[in-house]
Amino acid sequence: GAVVSQHPSWVICKSGTSVKIECRSLDFQATTMFWYRQFPKQSLMLMATSNEGSKATYEQGVEKDKFLINHASLTLSTLTVTSAHPEDSSFYICSASRLAGADTQYFGPGTRLTVL
Amino acid sequence: AQSVTQPDIHITVSEGASLELRCNYSYGATPYLFWYVQSPGQGLQLLLKYFSGDTLVQGIKGFEAEFKRSQSSFNLRKPSVHWSDAAEYFCAVGGSSGDKLTFGTGTRLAVRP
Repeated sequence: GAVVSQHPSWVICKSGTSVKIECRSLDFQATTMFWYRQFPKQSLMLMATSNEGSKATYEQGVEKDKFLINHASLTLSTLTVTSAHPEDSSFYICSASRLAGADTQYFGPGTRLTVL
Repeated sequence: AQSVTQPDIHITVSEGASLELRCNYSYGATPYLFWYVQSPGQGLQLLLKYFSGDTLVQGIKGFEAEFKRSQSSFNLRKPSVHWSDAAEYFCAVGGSSGDKLTFGTGTRLAVRP
């Protein structure tokens, strides 16, 4: 149990376009979902935390108008990278936990975004 | 502020040898501790976690970790490494108050045949 999927697994887009990444908890209800960004050979950087039905909480330095997060249901969260630029190219990973607050996070397989 | 230190960036061991990956944390209260493994181009898989109770925690794939409060450590161990264990390993700390997870910088494990 506790499987998290992401779609797409990789995407290539042109500069200036928007890209949507989906994160789904397949066999459990996720009260909280997290979005991370990982640069090559580096650790995970938390971008934002979202609780179902409420606005996401963004980490310092993360532009909320550029990285739109929606957590419309207990099994789905989406990250939209708006007006993407080459510097947004990265590996984006979501995670989900059953409870709000401290709980085990289960990670998706990640989405590789390349902006040309 | 909470933090995690993984002092070893890269470790190489021979297949069949024992393994210990170090993790030291800084946290103001009782920590929740995790070890995750990441294969290239993949997400993170939970190996084991410590919330409370027995300080020696058993995980998947034959891994175990020991929480030592006096040393602020949560080292990961495996008695006999397999070639398939080659991956990146991340230690993370969170807390009961709902603190977000803080990850270490990771240790890349290579396995010699």
